[in-house]
Amino acid sequence: DADVTQTPRNRITKTGKRIMLECSQTKGHDRMYWYRQDPGLGLQLIYYSFDVKDINKGEISDGYSVSRQAQAKFSLSLESAIPNQTALYFCATMARNGRNEQFFGPGTRLTVL
Amino acid sequence: GNSVTQMEGPVTLSEEAFLTINCTYTATGYPSLFWYVQYPGEGLQLLLKATKADDKGSNKGFEATYRKETTSFHLEKGSVQVSDSAVYFCALRANFGNEKLTFGTGTRLTIIP
Repeated sequence: DADVTQTPRNRITKTGKRIMLECSQTKGHDRMYWYRQDPGLGLQLIYYSFDVKDINKGEISDGYSVSRQAQAKFSLSLESAIPNQTALYFCATMARNGRNEQFFGPGTRLTVL
Repeated sequence: GNSVTQMEGPVTLSEEAFLTINCTYTATGYPSLFWYVQYPGEGLQLLLKATKADDKGSNKGFEATYRKETTSFHLEKGSVQVSDSAVYFCALRANFGNEKLTFGTGTRLTIIP
């Protein structure tokens, strides 16, 4: 079984709809991250969380919100989706021990029409 | 702020050719440096890392040396295989602050038989 899972894997929605992307992990890591990937831009950090009570904005948080429901779950919401939020979204986790390795989920491809 | 500049792709090589993907960075202090690989349809996986100057990271025949004097972390492999076809991302993590990764834009590598 995968250590970091994301649901859904693909989603097509319309402008103005509310969308939630979910991430679950079985690695027991404290730190969780949401990134978006756009062609030619690499990965950009949206939000990150160091534990259940800690939420921090990343580089491109506008238009997004997150919820850390439990240590193992970190959800990303688009309150009112717009076409330029069409992208590939990745969740990642990292242990607190400072070894620097982030573990990525398989990604969610979101298309906003 | 921190930034990573990566060799633009796509890069196409024949099997058994020598590979170099250039990566340079801008950061204060002494960041940790990483190469991640993304195979088609999958999330990113850590390929190798180096945490201090002159360290050499290596994995699966790939190598990269942390060069503080040239602020570089070029990825090399002596003989590529078709299975190495993927997108490669250079990244850095500052050794203070919020632990986030700063990614380059990615280089798509295609190996032809």
